[in-house]
Amino acid sequence: ETGVTQSPTHLIKTRGQQVTLRCSSQSGHNTVSWYQQALGQGPQFIFQYYREEENGRGNFPPRFSGLQFPNYSSELNVNALELDDSALYLCASTLRDGGQETQYFGPGTRLLVL
Amino acid sequence: KQEVTQIPAALSVPEGENLVLNCSFTDSAIYNLQWFRQDPGKGLTSLLLIQSSQREQTSGRLNASLDKSSGRSTLYIAASQPGDSATYLCAVRSGTYKYIFGTGTRLKVLA
Repeated sequence: ETGVTQSPTHLIKTRGQQVTLRCSSQSGHNTVSWYQQALGQGPQFIFQYYREEENGRGNFPPRFSGLQFPNYSSELNVNALELDDSALYLCASTLRDGGQETQYFGPGTRLLVL
Repeated sequence: KQEVTQIPAALSVPEGENLVLNCSFTDSAIYNLQWFRQDPGKGLTSLLLIQSSQREQTSGRLNASLDKSSGRSTLYIAASQPGDSATYLCAVRSGTYKYIFGTGTRLKVLA
């Protein structure tokens, strides 16, 4: 049990629609990262938020955007969905403890774009 | 640019066998390396985290080693069991904020 939850667990959308995925992490985990995992691949970094601001971004277009809230929850928004956006979306929160950092992953949201 | 490779891509072994999964990375300037387990359709479960200053970590039947100079890590699983069947992912953190993942090794342990 990582203490990181995601909703919904599964989602079906059609091409061109918009989607919002949610993540809730533990108190004190002030960094959240989002990853996209296509079938048969390793997770790919989308972006990270630290104290409610984007702190780094992978190779994803601007239609992927995010928000982080003071209550340690966050959102991933994807506009103008494409078929290739079908994937498992994972969020991970980071705990910094005594100079060490550990990422805790949520169970993921599986998105299917038709 | 950091790249992570895992070999083999798939592995099938009889129950009870000891096995080694390999992970290699191109940039030795890493912050830490983490091994994860992923069951089909599920999220990631962290198995072992090795900081850059460490050489190995152990948890139960699992032992992970890290050799930064050669850009390699191995995950050793002793006395494998059917419940160990899953995909094992290696991830390297080399920047300030993200992990770079390999594509994983799909392990099947036969009863």
